[in-house]
Amino acid sequence: NAGVMQNPRHLVRRRGQEARLRCSPMKGHSHVYWYRQLPEEGLKFMVYLQKENIIDESGMPKERFSAEFPKEGPSILRIQQVVRGDSAAYFCASSPRDRALLAKNIQYFGAGTRLSVL
Amino acid sequence: TQLLEQSPQFLSIQEGENLTVYCNSSSVFSSLQWYRQEPGEGPVLLVTVVTGGEVKKLKRLTFQFGDARKDSSLHITAAQPGDTGLYLCAGAWGGGGSNYKLTFGKGTLLTVNP
Repeated sequence: NAGVMQNPRHLVRRRGQEARLRCSPMKGHSHVYWYRQLPEEGLKFMVYLQKENIIDESGMPKERFSAEFPKEGPSILRIQQVVRGDSAAYFCASSPRDRALLAKNIQYFGAGTRLSVL
Repeated sequence: TQLLEQSPQFLSIQEGENLTVYCNSSSVFSSLQWYRQEPGEGPVLLVTVVTGGEVKKLKRLTFQFGDARKDSSLHITAAQPGDTGLYLCAGAWGGGGSNYKLTFGKGTLLTVNP
């Protein structure tokens, strides 16, 4: 049973370019979360999505960042016109539909995408 | 904004020693998770606790949730070099619609020397 798959594992972009990060949740999971880990800081919640719906994007910067989880295919976190301050590790997590597990807030994480902005 | 404090921030011990790391908040958790993260990897879920006073064991690891559900501890018995890693606690607050947001502590970086 494959875990949460993120790609690419490492991404290098120049300032002003776009970064596109992909996340495929665990099989049977329909809830996806994105977190960002800045150097010397803990993981911070960004956005919570279900298929074709953004449930909570309160942790997303207001500009340049967007996320989607289409009916088919992986969830995508898109950062437009990247700046050096966007350099961080971006983690995706997923949780199952099961209400009992959702109530316990059990989330399984991928290995992350390390974004470096030159 | 809920804050989650972990201590100590760094811990370096010899193989065979015991250790405890702590996770504290001023707010009541609806659930709390402990994760372990290795360099270059994502957090791996170790345990979830939801009931005040709950104790869970995972081999040499013992997790305790405070009676008031504001704090938790992780105790490792007879630590081994393979236990080396960053231990993170993550809490969720509130019932219903918003308890999916995990708030993470900064972690305890544990080094177990052979």
